[in-house]
Amino acid sequence: NAGVMQNPRHLVRRRGQEARLRCSPMKGHSHVYWYRQLPEEGLKFMVYLQKENIIDESGMPKERFSAEFPKEGPSILRIQQVVRGDSAAYFCASSPRPAGAGTDTQYFGPGTRLTVL
Amino acid sequence: GENVEQHPSTLSVQEGDSAVIKCTYSDSASNYFPWYKQELGKGPQLIIDIRSNVGEKKDQRIAVTLNKTAKHFSLHITETQPEDSAVYFCASIIQGAQKLVFGQGTRLTINP
Repeated sequence: NAGVMQNPRHLVRRRGQEARLRCSPMKGHSHVYWYRQLPEEGLKFMVYLQKENIIDESGMPKERFSAEFPKEGPSILRIQQVVRGDSAAYFCASSPRPAGAGTDTQYFGPGTRLTVL
Repeated sequence: GENVEQHPSTLSVQEGDSAVIKCTYSDSASNYFPWYKQELGKGPQLIIDIRSNVGEKKDQRIAVTLNKTAKHFSLHITETQPEDSAVYFCASIIQGAQKLVFGQGTRLTINP
């Protein structure tokens, strides 16, 4: 049973370019969460999505960041016009039901380490 | 919003000894408290969790205790081994919310 998959594992971008991070949840999981981890810090919630719906984006920066989870295919976290401060590890997690209903465990992927030059 | 404080930030113990990491949370509506282990270059791995209707949970060498009145919970690792060396994060979820709120992490080093 494959776990949460993320790609690429490492991504290097120059300032002003776009970064696209992909996440495939565990089989049978329809709830996806994105977190950001700055060096030597804990993880910070960014966004919670279900298929074709953004449920909670309270942790997303207002500009340049967007997320989607289409009916078919992986969830995508998109960062436009990247700046050096975007350099971080971005983790995706998934759960079979909403995390607050019950409450269900979130399982994390290996992360994408974004470096902005 | 919810705030989770974690102590200590670093912890070094001799192999075979016990390690204890403590977390406090601010929102009394929090009802789920997982602990994650993160090794270098990897994603967080769930090691144990506890729900607010339980005071203690144990899984082999790992145990978690929860004091709802004081709003704190602790991770206990007994008979530590070198492979326990990692960064450990506590987290909480407020009932009805979807997001994990993480502590700042504890870097645990087991000295052989």
